[in-house]
Amino acid sequence: DAGVTQSPTHLIKTRGQHVTLRCSPISGHKSVSWYQQVLGQGPQFIFQYYEKEERGRGNFPDRFSARQFPNYSSELNVNALLLGDSALYLCASSGGFTYNEQFFGPGTRLTVL
Amino acid sequence: AQSVTQLGSHVSVSEGALVLLRCNYSSSVPPYLFWYVQYPNQGLQLLLKYTTGATLVKGINGFEAEFKKSETSFHLTKPSAHMSDAAEYFCAVSDLETSGSRLTFGEGTQLTVNP
Repeated sequence: DAGVTQSPTHLIKTRGQHVTLRCSPISGHKSVSWYQQVLGQGPQFIFQYYEKEERGRGNFPDRFSARQFPNYSSELNVNALLLGDSALYLCASSGGFTYNEQFFGPGTRLTVL
Repeated sequence: AQSVTQLGSHVSVSEGALVLLRCNYSSSVPPYLFWYVQYPNQGLQLLLKYTTGATLVKGINGFEAEFKKSETSFHLTKPSAHMSDAAEYFCAVSDLETSGSRLTFGEGTQLTVNP
C-alpha cells in the first residue's frame, strides 16, 4: 500500500503570493494533520482534520487554512506569504482522531523569496 | 499545555558505542510519548512509542526507550551505534483524550556517528 503522499515536492514563491499544498493519506485513514518544520527546529502543529472537520488548530495566523475532502485528502493554503513561511510542510495521517500513531509523508519544501 | 525538552542539540558517538538521547516532557495528563527519526530531505519515521503498560519500549533498528514518570523522562538508547543511525531524532508527546493525536515535538537532536 502507498504511504502518505504530498505534492509538490518543492516549490518557490515570492512574498505576498498564495500557495496550496496537497496531501493524500494512507488508504483507510480518516485523519490528516499538518505540521510546519522550520530549518533546525522540530515540527510545529498547524491543523488536524478528521471526517472533514477541523478538530485542532495550532498557534498560526489566519493566513493559514486547510480543508479535507470526502476522499480524506487534504489541502493546506497559505495566503500573503512571508519570508518566515519558508519551511518543510509535513502531512501526517492516522486512522482516527485519537489514534496514537501518525504516519508522515515526505513533506513539501516551500521557499519564499 | 505540553512541552518537550531534548537535552543536547548535537550528539556525537563512535561506531559501536552506546547511543543515549535525552528527552524530558511536561504534561498535565498521562502522556503518550514517541521517538521519530528524520533522515536528510525526508519525512519522519516512527522509532517507538509509549502508550500504556510496560515502561521499557522496544522499537525498530535496535532502539529502546524507558518511560520514567517520576523523572518525566523518555530517553532513547541503543547499545551499539551504526553509521546508518546518523540522523535527526525527535521526541514528541500527545494527550489523546484532550487534543487528539496532535503531537508536540522537541527541538531535535542531531546524531553523528564517527567511524
